[in-house]
Amino acid sequence: EDQVTQSPEALRLQEGESSSLNCSYTVSGLRGLFWYRQDPGKGPEFLFTLYSAGEEKEKERLKATLTKKESFLHITAPKPEDSATYLCAVQAAGSARQLTFGSGTQLTVLP
Amino acid sequence: NAGVTQTPKFRILKIGQSMTLQCAQDMNHNYMYWYRQDPGMGLKLIYYSVGAGITDKGEVPNGYNVSRSTTEDFPLRLELAAPSQTSVYFCASSYGRQGVRSDADTQYFGPGTRLTVL
Repeated sequence: EDQVTQSPEALRLQEGESSSLNCSYTVSGLRGLFWYRQDPGKGPEFLFTLYSAGEEKEKERLKATLTKKESFLHITAPKPEDSATYLCAVQAAGSARQLTFGSGTQLTVLP
Repeated sequence: NAGVTQTPKFRILKIGQSMTLQCAQDMNHNYMYWYRQDPGMGLKLIYYSVGAGITDKGEVPNGYNVSRSTTEDFPLRLELAAPSQTSVYFCASSYGRQGVRSDADTQYFGPGTRLTVL
């Protein structure tokens, strides 16, 4: 059974204080690992897809990395508008593209 | 493009009532999905479809039914609503078929329907 564990559950940062969110996974053949951002009362918004260990992707203050067992979402000099819940999900090889989600990290960036 | 749209945004049901949650996408996506999200939890897959006329169960299908008669629409039916079905429901879609698009596996989500069963 595919499993995704995210840590920490919640993280409070001061504006400008960089940090990382962790996503550990077990999957029977990884097809892809996805990061989403979710604002309160809204649907998940796609951020990144990573396909192989060693891959990195960046978007503004966010950088996602992937190893064979986990992924990190690095947030550099965050701003209050980065406050959201960040969700990690894995897609197994051979599946009908279903995603298995972690429970998310709720990030709060204080001004 | 409107992307993925869902109606209604909110609904309160009494135990035993039935309803249909509507989902539509205008991105010509082949694959569509229904998830539910309970407070503090990740999204769990209810049903999915890889094309018109083809549906299959996900992780938590009990108490739900789906149909897909067109590429654009994927309604979710709740029969005999129970308090355990109180949740936020998200519909998603993806292109799904490999070879042409680099984002074929990316799922795009609708805004959700918040359902309360009392």
